[in-house]
Amino acid sequence: NAGVTQTPKFRVLKTGQSMTLLCAQDMNHEYMYWYRQDPGMGLRLIHYSVGEGTTAKGEVPDGYNVSRLKKQNFLLGLESAAPSQTSVYFCASGQRYGYTFGSGTRLTVV
Amino acid sequence: GQNIDQPTEMTATEGAIVQINCTYQTSGFNGLFWYQQHAGEAPTFLSYNVLDGLEEKGRFSSFLSRSKGYSYLLLKELQMKDSASYLCAVRDQRNYGQNFVFGPGTRLSVLP
Repeated sequence: NAGVTQTPKFRVLKTGQSMTLLCAQDMNHEYMYWYRQDPGMGLRLIHYSVGEGTTAKGEVPDGYNVSRLKKQNFLLGLESAAPSQTSVYFCASGQRYGYTFGSGTRLTVV
Repeated sequence: GQNIDQPTEMTATEGAIVQINCTYQTSGFNGLFWYQQHAGEAPTFLSYNVLDGLEEKGRFSSFLSRSKGYSYLLLKELQMKDSASYLCAVRDQRNYGQNFVFGPGTRLSVLP
C-alpha cells in the first residue's frame, strides 16, 4: 500500500515562478488536506477538500490554489512563488478518525 | 479563532512516564488529535478524543476535558525512539467540520 504519495520531494524555485505539488492517495479517503510547516509555527492548514470537486480555504490560503478533480488526487498550485512560501509542505488524507500524512515536499523559493 | 498551547520542550528518562499537556480555545469543537513527528519526517497519528475521558492505546494514552479545553498525552515506559515532537491538533465545525488547527508541538527528548 502506497498510502499518501507526494511529488516532488524537493524543489527550488525562483521568485515569480509557478509550480504544482501533487498529492495522491490510494485509500479511498474523502478528505484531503494541504499543510505547510515552518520552524516554530507548527502545521498550518492551507486548503482542504471534503470530496471530489470540492475545496475550502484553511488558515493560510493566500498565494495558493487547489483542485480536486479526481478523488484520489489533490493538487496545490503556486501561481507566483515568493520567498515567504519557502516551507515544508505536507499533504494528508483521512476519514473521520485518524489521518495519514505524505512524506512532505521541501520547497525553497530564492 | 482558535488558540492551542503546548510546552515547547520536555526531557524525560528512558523507562519513565511523561505527560504532555495541551490547552485549547475553540468554537465548535469537533475532536482532538495527537500526532508524533520525528525530525525530518511526516506526522503519524497517535490518538483521537471527541468525548471526555481517557483513551488508552498500548504505552500511549490521551485524555480530554472539553469543559476545561484541556488534553494530555501520557507516554509510559519511555523508549529512546519516543524522542520526537508531539503535536496536538483541534478540529472544529467550520467548513464541513474539517477545519484543523495544530499546536506548535512539544519536542520530547528521552535520555538514557
